[in-house]
Amino acid sequence: DQQVKQNSPSLSVQEGRISILNCDYTNSMFDYFLWYKKYPAEGPTFLISISSIKDKNEDGRFTVFLNKSAKHLSLHIVPSQPGDSAVYFCAARYGNKLVFGAGTILRVKS
Amino acid sequence: NAGVTQTPKFRILKIGQSMTLQCAQDMNHNYMYWYRQDPGMGLKLIYYSVGAGITDKGEVPNGYNVSRSTTEDFPLRLELAAPSQTSVYFCASSYWVASKNIQYFGAGTRLSVL
Repeated sequence: DQQVKQNSPSLSVQEGRISILNCDYTNSMFDYFLWYKKYPAEGPTFLISISSIKDKNEDGRFTVFLNKSAKHLSLHIVPSQPGDSAVYFCAARYGNKLVFGAGTILRVKS
Repeated sequence: NAGVTQTPKFRILKIGQSMTLQCAQDMNHNYMYWYRQDPGMGLKLIYYSVGAGITDKGEVPNGYNVSRSTTEDFPLRLELAAPSQTSVYFCASSYWVASKNIQYFGAGTRLSVL
């Protein structure tokens, strides 16, 4: 039972354009949501997060939006850069634990 | 500035062998976690610990054991390796600040069981 789903396995975007990565969840008890970025042969690194009581959080080129009624969050990267090419994982927190989505491979073409 | 260190980086085991994956953190974090990542899948929690001497099962604990005798170390033990345990294993640590609990990951151990 996948509680956190990233339905797009991959996304390709032109440099300078917006990248939008999506994530859906089913458990309404999740209280915190995070995005992690992962390069090959490295561990995931924290990117940005949002509390369930907010609907938007911004950090430089990265913005996360949360729609609780739709149980949907998205990560916007503007403008996209070639160095953003990586796997992006959505994660949702329940108690002490995180539940991860399967990831979306982002390729930013120059 | 080490953060979370995992050893070894790669390992090949034969079916039935045992091994310990090492994880150490130097950030004085109370919380530590072990995940596995299979191809095309997200990270799945194996075991976690909220402090020295305290461990609990995650989503996929079967075939694994852990111990936490110090704040810094959280080894993962595979007793009888099976092909289904072929995966990439990640260790993470975290602490709580207000409502935030950001996990910091090691670089992973790639394990093949043949």
